[in-house]
Amino acid sequence: AAGVIQSPRHLIKEKRETATLKCYPIPRHDTVYWYQQGPGQDPQFLISFYEKMQSDKGSIPDRFSAQQFSDYHSELNMSSLELGDSALYFCASSSPGGEQFFGPGTRLTVL
Amino acid sequence: QKEVEQDPGPLSVPEGAIVSLNCTYSNSAFQYFMWYRQYSRKGPELLMYTYSSGNKEDGRFTAQVDKSSKYISLFIRDSQPSDSATYLCAMRWRDDKIIFGKGTRLHILP
Repeated sequence: AAGVIQSPRHLIKEKRETATLKCYPIPRHDTVYWYQQGPGQDPQFLISFYEKMQSDKGSIPDRFSAQQFSDYHSELNMSSLELGDSALYFCASSSPGGEQFFGPGTRLTVL
Repeated sequence: QKEVEQDPGPLSVPEGAIVSLNCTYSNSAFQYFMWYRQYSRKGPELLMYTYSSGNKEDGRFTAQVDKSSKYISLFIRDSQPSDSATYLCAMRWRDDKIIFGKGTRLHILP
């Protein structure tokens, strides 16, 4: 079965640089969620989109923005990167009222 | 106090034993209860998903929800070394973000 696809899988950036993470949801899933998981931490909700509109917002810094496109894929844009942004970033997708299925994650390292 | 409390472990049990993992929560508005398994540096994998109080069984896994006590459990029978992972309890409202527990690191000793 098709799963959530995330790219890139690994990303290394320097402080103050920008990064773009991409998420391709499971076919026919219209909702995308972004989570951040720091070392030894549980995933923390950042933001979600339903039918290309932002549906909920969590602890996402103002330096981050995201959007969902007409093909339902989503991108998380991160600017002015800080050392503390180093983490695993997961995307999850769901159908209406359905469960969330997670992608393999993007490991971001900020040097 | 976190909305979802989960003992981080680590929990070490011998192969073949029954494993019991638990979480408590404070918000009675939660309607959906899940257990995710996460291997190191991998994405969380949905194991069990329940809506109401009671038991749900899937193979060697049984999920239990007690809404009156705000307590959920995951039981793993005949545990295998491949079950060694971090187990995250999770819950949410209707169509909403997931709130995770801290995760319990489980080691099954061969």
